[in-house]
Amino acid sequence: EAAVTQSPRNKVAVTGGKVTLSCNQTNNHNNMYWYRQDTGHGLRLIHYSYGAGSTEKGDIPDGYKASRPSQENFSLILELATPSQTSVYFCASGDGGNYAEQFFGPGTRLTVL
Amino acid sequence: GDQVKQSPSALSLQEGTNSALRCNFSIATTTVQWFLQNPRGSLMNLFYLVPGTKENGRLKSTFNSKESYSTLHIRDAQLEDSGTYFCAAEVGGSNAKLTFGKGTKLSVKS
Repeated sequence: EAAVTQSPRNKVAVTGGKVTLSCNQTNNHNNMYWYRQDTGHGLRLIHYSYGAGSTEKGDIPDGYKASRPSQENFSLILELATPSQTSVYFCASGDGGNYAEQFFGPGTRLTVL
Repeated sequence: GDQVKQSPSALSLQEGTNSALRCNFSIATTTVQWFLQNPRGSLMNLFYLVPGTKENGRLKSTFNSKESYSTLHIRDAQLEDSGTYFCAAEVGGSNAKLTFGKGTKLSVKS
């Protein structure tokens, strides 16, 4: 069954450290997305990608970088983690084009101390 | 203000009853998705809608693009329907992004 997986599922990091969150999809979708979910805000888009080698800024990109080395993989990178980046992060994939339904991974809970 | 407004923010239902959740959009929206986030945190796809109506079991959803709203009807609510329901609007056409509402937290009680 096609799926979106994320690793790690839980992560504790220290302020100023580097964090990399990984996402893999077997949907063969062109588009991939990173969101964060915080109480009172719903899900907000951080970065997205139209395909291997492409990354685009979403609505809240500050403090985050993204990397799409292949069709299947999309990473979110926090170069200098801060406590305000404590959140639950979701990755999603979608076919894009005229059929834009998105499918989500299980989420990664990140705590920055 | 919020571009995707969901109402109500929370709802408690008795098992076996019916209810409707609503999303209003202040942005031009081409398609709408509805998700259920279960108590473990997983986001499950419920509906992907162009303007019109879809039905799946006890759930039915309508997207009216001219009046900028979408509804999700739950019939004969069951305990396993509990969770947070999110609607998300696709904006900008092809390769568009989703803008999420803040969710409706539903509790179904026996």
